[in-house]
Amino acid sequence: SQQGEEDPQALSIQEGENATMNCSYKTSINNLQWYRQNSGRGLVHLILIRSNEREKHSGRLRVTLDTSKKSSSLLITASRAADTASYFCATVSQGGKLIFGQGTELSVKP
Amino acid sequence: ETGVTQSPTHLIKTRGQQVTLRCSSQSGHNTVSWYQQALGQGPQFIFQYYREEENGRGNFPPRFSGLQFPNYSSELNVNALELDDSALYLCASSRTSGATWGHETQYFGPGTRLLVL
Repeated sequence: SQQGEEDPQALSIQEGENATMNCSYKTSINNLQWYRQNSGRGLVHLILIRSNEREKHSGRLRVTLDTSKKSSSLLITASRAADTASYFCATVSQGGKLIFGQGTELSVKP
Repeated sequence: ETGVTQSPTHLIKTRGQQVTLRCSSQSGHNTVSWYQQALGQGPQFIFQYYREEENGRGNFPPRFSGLQFPNYSSELNVNALELDDSALYLCASSRTSGATWGHETQYFGPGTRLLVL
């Protein structure tokens, strides 16, 4: 079963714009991770944020975590056509298993 | 690209058959997890192996089974295939230690796409 919801399900923007994706989850967590998947291939790990962290940056990526609201957001700044992919959040509660959301399909138009 | 490899890349089987999928971990990793991803869905956790023992299982029937070998590579076996088993099967490896338990980054392979007819 999926942990939670991702919003929006699909997002279409122009190159250079920012893209924001949201993720909500249901149970308490150790950490939350974001992954990217191109065209149904393997997932690429983007960033991990621990439950005691509120914000984390990696290059053009910014992730926030609000454990009181059980939600997280991923911001991609200055998007590029190469950012076109599906983005998934995944929570880790115990034992290291990842529980994924349904994903957001991002399309960046040149 | 990660150092995780999977074989085969594609596979077609018929209902009732059995299938074995293989995964080679990234060097230095001791934990392997398997996920099933149906079309248009997020991956779902099947099970995890740590030091050759099953270390957690998702909501999958016993006809899904696995192995981890001393070199930390792994197999996923599915018996009595059903049409709904058609999916992308992903393997992920990580390095688990007491200090990082539950906070490891998992590195995914490219997946095996299984079609059951």
